[in-house]
Amino acid sequence: QSALTQPASVSGSPGQSITISCIGTSSDLGGYNYVSWYQHHPGKAPKLMIYDVTNRPSGISNRFSGSKSGNTASLTISGLQAEDEADYYCSSYSSSNTVLFGGGTKMTVL
Amino acid sequence: QVQLVESGGGEVQPGGSLRLSCAASGFRFSNYGFHWVRQAPGKGLEWVALIWSDGTRENYADSVKGRFTISRDNSENTLYLQMNNLRVEDTAVYYCARDLSVAAGDYRGQGTLVTVSS
Repeated sequence: QSALTQPASVSGSPGQSITISCIGTSSDLGGYNYVSWYQHHPGKAPKLMIYDVTNRPSGISNRFSGSKSGNTASLTISGLQAEDEADYYCSSYSSSNTVLFGGGTKMTVL
Repeated sequence: QVQLVESGGGEVQPGGSLRLSCAASGFRFSNYGFHWVRQAPGKGLEWVALIWSDGTRENYADSVKGRFTISRDNSENTLYLQMNNLRVEDTAVYYCARDLSVAAGDYRGQGTLVTVSS
């Protein structure tokens, strides 16, 4: 059960767009359209931002979007705002009937 | 509104046991599968276990298989995680989440801290 691979950090200025990548294998991320993205502020509950690769739960801003190509999924945040600064995690269902998380990406708004 | 409240954490010695609870309200509990996920100090999120909505299937991370048991009581709207033979590396904040799709966790609580230390 290897973790998915995310960059340790990304940053952007207010108003810009950033993209966070998440790399898996054909046995997990590449084999299923069950990729989710979470926003996590320390001490708070993780917040589901994207599920099933591209879907946004009710109440999530359309500035957040997800995509997938092969074994790589991406989260794009457009129109960066200060409150977007957080840790972001991807996750995927895997062929072993388990769930894998990425190592997390610290997103900083400059 | 949807609420998930974790409880049962605490400090325990290596080899000890704890049972975590997750009390749910604001939705039809029996319609959803549930996850437990944890975050060790300074580390990222780690998936722990999943139970299906009808309770007939459970899945576990390799790191806890054989030591942890996930269960649910649909009459009490409560999810459980029985943790046995605890190790120092099990120290973490434990969160429960309902499954909105497949492996898409809806987290609502602040988590419960488990500390395994001698």
